[in-house]
Amino acid sequence: AQSVTQLGSHVSVSEGALVLLRCNYSSSVPPYLFWYVQYPNQGLQLLLKYTTGATLVKGINGFEAEFKKSETSFHLTKPSAHMSDAAEYFCAVTNSGTYKYIFGTGTRLKVLA
Amino acid sequence: GAVVSQHPSWVICKSGTSVKIECRSLDFQATTMFWYRQFPKQSLMLMATSNEGSKATYEQGVEKDKFLINHASLTLSTLTVTSAHPEDSSFYICSARTLQRELTEQFFGPGTRLTVL
Repeated sequence: AQSVTQLGSHVSVSEGALVLLRCNYSSSVPPYLFWYVQYPNQGLQLLLKYTTGATLVKGINGFEAEFKKSETSFHLTKPSAHMSDAAEYFCAVTNSGTYKYIFGTGTRLKVLA
Repeated sequence: GAVVSQHPSWVICKSGTSVKIECRSLDFQATTMFWYRQFPKQSLMLMATSNEGSKATYEQGVEKDKFLINHASLTLSTLTVTSAHPEDSSFYICSARTLQRELTEQFFGPGTRLTVL
């Protein structure tokens, strides 16, 4: 079975500050990991994904995440927050067996002026 | 590329009526489509998985007679909420997977907000 835990349902950062959104996973098989962003009343937009290969993954809008197998983590970071980054962020895990996504509970990012 | 659309984007209906939501892959063939439900300020919960031309596979606890899913073509899946009640009010999101791209990736539609009065 697979699961995802996102620590912190709400995170507030100042504009220009570092963004760190935490995601830990549990998986008995090699995981494929994703970060999505959701703006109000919209669907999900893929920020980045890890499947195999390089463990540091760069995505859109300046976001990146590092897959750390030893820590079972896939935290999302961005060096400098923009007001437009305010949204809900979801971490998801799947595997090559089922391809079903298991989503975390989400983290709402608030960016303070 | 890999655009998924949903129609309608929002719908209001009376209790007891049925509502159909369409999910279309606009520029690719969707071999598998997924339907999710999202309650306010909560995560997405997978309702069912459908492969083109075959019956949908429902997740545990999802009533298949209430949430009818049809995946009749490689570009269209429909979710019909039958005899809708206020507790069915939710945000419904579909996604699609294609053999033409990496199999692990799903492409999400913009969602449909259903309100049952």
